[in-house]
Amino acid sequence: QVQLVQSGTEVKKPGASVKVSCKASGYTFTSYGITWVRQAPGQGLEWMGWISTHNGNTNYAQKFQGRATMTTDTSTSTAYMELRSLRSDDTAVYYCARDPEIYGSGSYRFDPWGQGTLVTVSS
Amino acid sequence: QSALTQPASVSGSPGQSITISCTGTSSDVGSYNLVSWYQQHPGTAPKLIIYEGSKRPSGVSNRFSGSKSGNTASLTISGLQADDESDYYCCSYAGSSVVFGGGTKLTVL
Repeated sequence: QVQLVQSGTEVKKPGASVKVSCKASGYTFTSYGITWVRQAPGQGLEWMGWISTHNGNTNYAQKFQGRATMTTDTSTSTAYMELRSLRSDDTAVYYCARDPEIYGSGSYRFDPWGQGTLVTVSS
Repeated sequence: QSALTQPASVSGSPGQSITISCTGTSSDVGSYNLVSWYQQHPGTAPKLIIYEGSKRPSGVSNRFSGSKSGNTASLTISGLQADDESDYYCCSYAGSSVVFGGGTKLTVL
Protein backbone atom coordinates (compact mmCIF):
# COMPACT_ATOMS: atom_id res chain seq x y z
CA GLN A 1 0.00 0.00 0.00
CA VAL A 2 1.06 3.60 -0.51
CA GLN A 3 2.88 4.77 2.59
CA LEU A 4 5.01 7.66 3.77
CA VAL A 5 7.12 7.00 6.87
CA GLN A 6 8.78 9.93 8.58
CA SER A 7 11.75 10.18 10.93
CA GLY A 8 11.35 10.42 14.67
CA THR A 9 10.88 13.15 17.25
CA GLU A 10 13.49 15.91 17.41
CA VAL A 11 14.39 18.33 20.19
CA LYS A 12 16.47 21.32 19.13
CA LYS A 13 17.79 24.51 20.67
CA PRO A 14 16.94 27.92 19.24
CA GLY A 15 19.20 28.78 16.32
CA ALA A 16 19.83 25.15 15.40
CA SER A 17 18.69 23.28 12.28
CA VAL A 18 16.53 20.20 11.85
CA LYS A 19 16.23 17.80 8.93
CA VAL A 20 13.11 15.62 8.68
CA SER A 21 12.97 12.64 6.35
CA CYS A 22 10.00 11.06 4.58
CA LYS A 23 10.43 7.63 3.00
CA ALA A 24 7.90 6.63 0.36
CA SER A 25 6.82 3.14 -0.60
CA GLY A 26 4.08 1.43 -2.59
CA TYR A 27 4.24 3.71 -5.65
CA THR A 28 6.68 5.14 -8.18
CA PHE A 29 8.39 7.90 -6.19
CA THR A 30 9.22 10.08 -9.20
CA SER A 31 5.64 10.12 -10.47
CA TYR A 32 4.40 12.35 -7.63
CA GLY A 33 5.63 15.42 -5.83
CA ILE A 34 5.97 15.83 -2.07
CA THR A 35 4.38 18.64 -0.09
CA TRP A 36 5.33 19.64 3.46
CA VAL A 37 2.77 20.95 5.97
CA ARG A 38 3.23 21.79 9.62
CA GLN A 39 0.87 22.04 12.59
CA ALA A 40 1.77 23.92 15.77
CA PRO A 41 0.34 22.51 19.01
CA GLY A 42 -3.41 23.03 19.10
CA GLN A 43 -3.31 24.99 15.86
CA GLY A 44 -4.30 24.51 12.22
CA LEU A 45 -2.41 23.30 9.18
CA GLU A 46 0.19 25.48 7.47
CA TRP A 47 1.52 24.80 3.96
CA MET A 48 5.32 25.05 3.81
CA GLY A 49 6.06 24.15 0.23
CA TRP A 50 6.42 21.50 -2.47
CA ILE A 51 9.16 19.66 -4.28
CA SER A 52 9.05 17.84 -7.59
CA THR A 53 10.64 14.41 -7.26
CA HIS A 54 10.95 14.40 -11.06
CA ASN A 55 13.27 17.38 -11.54
CA GLY A 56 13.93 18.77 -8.04
CA ASN A 57 12.02 22.02 -8.64
CA THR A 58 10.73 23.59 -5.47
CA ASN A 59 8.07 26.10 -4.46
CA TYR A 60 8.24 27.49 -0.93
CA ALA A 61 5.68 29.47 1.00
CA GLN A 62 6.95 33.03 1.25
CA LYS A 63 7.23 32.66 5.02
CA PHE A 64 9.83 29.86 4.69
CA GLN A 65 11.83 31.09 1.72
CA GLY A 66 15.49 31.25 2.66
CA ARG A 67 15.04 29.21 5.85
CA ALA A 68 13.66 25.90 4.54
CA THR A 69 15.23 23.56 2.00
CA MET A 70 13.40 20.62 0.47
CA THR A 71 15.34 17.87 -1.28
CA THR A 72 14.85 14.32 -2.48
CA ASP A 73 16.97 11.20 -2.90
CA THR A 74 15.37 9.19 -5.68
CA SER A 75 17.71 6.24 -5.07
CA THR A 76 16.04 5.66 -1.70
CA SER A 77 12.60 7.21 -2.46
CA THR A 78 13.12 9.65 0.38
CA ALA A 79 12.25 13.33 0.69
CA TYR A 80 13.86 15.69 3.17
CA MET A 81 12.88 19.02 4.69
CA GLU A 82 15.53 21.07 6.49
CA LEU A 83 14.57 24.10 8.55
CA ARG A 84 17.32 26.41 9.83
CA SER A 85 17.58 29.13 12.46
CA LEU A 86 14.92 27.45 14.55
CA ARG A 87 12.78 29.53 16.91
CA SER A 88 10.38 28.49 19.63
CA ASP A 89 7.43 29.14 17.33
CA ASP A 90 8.75 26.48 14.95
CA THR A 91 7.66 23.89 17.51
CA ALA A 92 5.19 21.80 15.56
CA VAL A 93 4.38 18.47 13.99
CA TYR A 94 5.80 18.41 10.48
CA TYR A 95 4.02 16.30 7.86
CA CYS A 96 4.99 15.20 4.38
CA ALA A 97 2.26 14.28 1.92
CA ARG A 98 2.13 12.87 -1.59
CA ASP A 99 1.18 15.48 -4.17
CA PRO A 100 -0.03 14.53 -7.69
CA GLU A 101 1.84 17.51 -9.20
CA ILE A 102 5.34 16.83 -10.51
CA TYR A 103 5.60 19.91 -12.74
CA GLY A 104 4.54 23.45 -12.06
CA SER A 105 4.40 24.56 -8.45
CA GLY A 106 2.47 21.89 -6.57
CA SER A 107 -1.20 21.24 -5.99
CA TYR A 108 -3.83 21.33 -3.23
CA ARG A 109 -4.59 17.63 -3.10
CA PHE A 110 -2.45 15.71 -0.61
CA ASP A 111 -2.91 11.96 -0.20
CA PRO A 112 -1.66 10.13 1.75
CA TRP A 113 0.20 11.87 4.57
CA GLY A 114 3.11 10.68 6.66
CA GLN A 115 2.56 10.03 10.34
CA GLY A 116 4.15 13.35 11.31
CA THR A 117 7.39 14.31 13.06
CA LEU A 118 7.28 16.37 16.24
CA VAL A 119 9.98 19.02 16.36
CA THR A 120 10.34 20.80 19.69
CA VAL A 121 12.46 23.95 19.88
CA SER A 122 13.44 24.83 23.42
CA SER A 123 16.44 26.19 25.28
CA GLN B 1 -1.80 34.77 1.95
CA SER B 2 -4.46 34.80 4.71
CA ALA B 3 -6.01 31.60 5.98
CA LEU B 4 -9.44 30.60 4.74
CA THR B 5 -12.24 31.26 7.24
CA GLN B 6 -14.02 28.32 8.85
CA PRO B 7 -16.33 28.22 11.88
CA ALA B 8 -14.41 27.11 14.95
CA SER B 9 -16.98 24.47 15.83
CA VAL B 10 -20.17 22.82 14.65
CA SER B 11 -22.27 20.10 16.21
CA GLY B 12 -25.04 17.71 15.30
CA SER B 13 -26.85 14.62 16.52
CA PRO B 14 -26.40 11.15 15.04
CA GLY B 15 -28.30 10.79 11.79
CA GLN B 16 -28.48 14.54 11.16
CA SER B 17 -26.64 16.52 8.48
CA ILE B 18 -24.22 19.35 9.06
CA THR B 19 -22.44 21.79 6.77
CA ILE B 20 -19.06 23.43 7.32
CA SER B 21 -18.32 26.59 5.38
CA CYS B 22 -14.94 27.75 4.12
CA THR B 23 -14.70 31.35 2.95
CA GLY B 24 -11.81 32.62 0.90
CA THR B 25 -11.28 35.35 -1.64
CA SER B 26 -11.23 35.89 -5.38
CA SER B 27 -7.53 34.96 -5.27
CA ASP B 28 -8.10 31.43 -4.03
CA VAL B 29 -11.49 29.72 -3.60
CA GLY B 30 -13.22 32.13 -5.95
CA SER B 31 -10.73 31.71 -8.78
CA TYR B 32 -10.21 27.96 -8.81
CA ASN B 33 -12.39 24.90 -8.34
CA LEU B 34 -9.41 23.38 -6.58
CA VAL B 35 -10.63 22.98 -3.03
CA SER B 36 -9.90 19.97 -0.86
CA TRP B 37 -11.13 18.92 2.56
CA TYR B 38 -9.28 16.92 5.21
CA GLN B 39 -10.47 15.03 8.26
CA GLN B 40 -8.10 14.84 11.22
CA HIS B 41 -8.75 12.74 14.29
CA PRO B 42 -6.78 13.70 17.42
CA GLY B 43 -3.16 12.62 17.30
CA THR B 44 -3.33 11.38 13.72
CA ALA B 45 -2.40 12.72 10.29
CA PRO B 46 -5.02 14.45 8.13
CA LYS B 47 -6.94 12.33 5.63
CA LEU B 48 -8.17 13.60 2.25
CA ILE B 49 -11.96 13.30 1.97
CA ILE B 50 -12.87 15.74 -0.84
CA TYR B 51 -10.87 17.18 -3.74
CA GLU B 52 -11.62 19.35 -6.76
CA GLY B 53 -14.47 20.82 -4.73
CA SER B 54 -16.78 17.81 -4.80
CA LYS B 55 -14.92 14.60 -5.72
CA ARG B 56 -14.36 11.80 -3.22
CA PRO B 57 -11.24 9.63 -3.20
CA SER B 58 -11.79 5.91 -3.41
CA GLY B 59 -12.93 4.51 -0.07
CA VAL B 60 -14.43 7.73 1.30
CA SER B 61 -18.07 7.45 2.31
CA ASN B 62 -20.65 9.10 0.06
CA ARG B 63 -22.03 10.73 3.23
CA PHE B 64 -19.34 13.36 2.60
CA SER B 65 -20.05 15.88 -0.15
CA GLY B 66 -18.56 19.18 -1.24
CA SER B 67 -19.74 22.22 -3.12
CA LYS B 68 -18.71 25.77 -3.93
CA SER B 69 -20.44 29.07 -4.56
CA GLY B 70 -18.42 32.17 -5.27
CA ASN B 71 -15.68 32.56 -2.67
CA THR B 72 -17.19 29.98 -0.30
CA ALA B 73 -16.74 26.23 -0.34
CA SER B 74 -18.79 23.89 1.81
CA LEU B 75 -18.50 20.39 3.22
CA THR B 76 -21.70 18.54 4.07
CA ILE B 77 -21.77 15.37 6.16
CA SER B 78 -25.06 13.52 6.10
CA GLY B 79 -26.22 10.73 8.41
CA LEU B 80 -23.83 11.82 11.16
CA GLN B 81 -22.02 9.02 12.94
CA ALA B 82 -20.01 9.05 16.17
CA ASP B 83 -16.79 8.43 14.23
CA ASP B 84 -17.31 11.66 12.26
CA GLU B 85 -16.36 13.59 15.41
CA SER B 86 -13.09 15.15 14.27
CA ASP B 87 -11.38 18.30 13.04
CA TYR B 88 -12.01 19.30 9.43
CA TYR B 89 -9.81 21.56 7.31
CA CYS B 90 -10.46 23.10 3.91
CA CYS B 91 -7.62 23.87 1.54
CA SER B 92 -7.45 25.86 -1.68
CA TYR B 93 -5.01 26.31 -4.51
CA ALA B 94 -4.08 29.99 -4.72
CA GLY B 95 -1.95 30.34 -7.81
CA SER B 96 1.62 29.61 -6.81
CA SER B 97 0.72 28.75 -3.23
CA VAL B 98 -1.75 26.84 -1.11
CA VAL B 99 -3.85 28.08 1.78
CA PHE B 100 -5.64 26.15 4.53
CA GLY B 101 -8.62 27.07 6.64
CA GLY B 102 -8.26 27.42 10.39
CA GLY B 103 -10.13 24.19 11.03
CA THR B 104 -13.56 23.25 12.39
CA LYS B 105 -14.16 20.91 15.29
CA LEU B 106 -17.21 18.72 14.71
CA THR B 107 -18.92 17.37 17.81
CA VAL B 108 -21.45 14.57 17.48
CA LEU B 109 -23.88 15.02 20.35
